[in-house]
Amino acid sequence: GQQLNQSPQSMFIQEGEDVSMNCTSSSIFNTWLWYKQDPGEGPVLLIALYKAGELTSNGRLTAQFGITRKDSFLNISASIPSDVGIYFCAGHTGGFKTIFGAGTRLFVKA
Amino acid sequence: KAGVTQTPRYLIKTRGQQVTLSCSPISGHRSVSWYQQTPGQGLQFLFEYFSETQRNKGNFPGRFSGRQFSNSRSEMNVSTLELGDSALYLCASSNLRDGYEQYFGPGTRLTVT
Repeated sequence: GQQLNQSPQSMFIQEGEDVSMNCTSSSIFNTWLWYKQDPGEGPVLLIALYKAGELTSNGRLTAQFGITRKDSFLNISASIPSDVGIYFCAGHTGGFKTIFGAGTRLFVKA
Repeated sequence: KAGVTQTPRYLIKTRGQQVTLSCSPISGHRSVSWYQQTPGQGLQFLFEYFSETQRNKGNFPGRFSGRQFSNSRSEMNVSTLELGDSALYLCASSNLRDGYEQYFGPGTRLTVT
């Protein structure tokens, strides 16, 4: 079935550093989304991307929909302690079903 | 505007029992999806409903079922519980007809003993 390969699995960074994570697939996706999950909470939508090549920002977050439609990346600039959490990419190919990546666990050291 | 609510938040059941979980979407949202989240498998899609119709379902056994009511509230049921059903069950709603851009509830933590 369809799978999203998300990397890295985890990241340990210093406060103030920039972060980059990505998702790839062998399948084409129509939509890419990025979510963040804090402990004990459900995921929260950060950015939605609808067009190949699209680059979208949300504060310190920037995400891009790959030109091939098979990948997406998320960058976080100038990380702060509250950025700690699990970041998930998700994709749609149509069919009202969302496929999620395995997540990138981010640790930020103050 | 109130967010997605799920009840109960925590549940402990015994193998062989059945369980019903409830989800109230954000007001005006007609699409509701359910996911199972486990450390080993991540977020796995269970099913999606729109206007009381199941539009898609994931690769789960028939013991997992769901429904949506006319007010868009949704329930999922798991019968004959197994130890491996222990997980966080998340509900998400969307105001988009295609179900994208989902807003998640806090989840129901189910433990099967």
